[in-house]
Amino acid sequence: EVQLLESGGGLVQPGGSLRLSCVATGFPFSIFAMGWVRQSPGKGLEWVSTLHNDRLTTHYAKSVRGRFTISRDNSMNTLFLQMNSLRAEDTAIYFCAKFQGQEVSDYYFDFWGQGTLVTVSS
Amino acid sequence: QSVLTQPPSVSAAPGQRVTISCTGSNSNIGAGSDVQWYQQVPGTAPKVLIYGDNLRPSGVPDRFSASKSGTSASLAISGLQAEDEADFYCQSYDTSLRGWVFGGGTKLTVL
Repeated sequence: EVQLLESGGGLVQPGGSLRLSCVATGFPFSIFAMGWVRQSPGKGLEWVSTLHNDRLTTHYAKSVRGRFTISRDNSMNTLFLQMNSLRAEDTAIYFCAKFQGQEVSDYYFDFWGQGTLVTVSS
Repeated sequence: QSVLTQPPSVSAAPGQRVTISCTGSNSNIGAGSDVQWYQQVPGTAPKVLIYGDNLRPSGVPDRFSASKSGTSASLAISGLQAEDEADFYCQSYDTSLRGWVFGGGTKLTVL
């Protein structure tokens, strides 16, 4: 059974940093692209970042580029999201998601974690 | 403002059929990027209902179907049941933005 368990969320002041983790079980983690999707309170889904299985190819939404860094440790089956220079508008539930597909144009999120809440407020 | 446009809400009675539209552009749906549909019950994680434009993962009832034409896609739900009440999101890949995009979401109410 595929399971994705996020952690690391919490309350942080504007300008601060947080590191989210996502531990994956139930599938060969190293061969799949992984990503983060967030959902602000009462709002819709917003893709944040993707990291391919080569551990090198990354994609970021314009709203977080230059502030967030995605990485993975395949030996620990863990995906990370380092979030710096946090803003109030980054407040959201952050979901870790596994990708399925052959090319980026047909990539989709086939499994999701339950999410971790990040609140940016003074 | 979402890259993919969905109606904010739809409603229908149990047993009826409802459709949800998703309008994109030539840089995403019109470029041939696959369209996916997700169902999210409030307070829970999204779940994929449709992938690859019109394919259902195992376990998803055939009451759920989808289609795509040009720069738009649609999700149809037939034989509505109370447990179908949820938020529905379309998703695709945008070649100009070089990223994955979602619709704003549609709240389905089963009357």
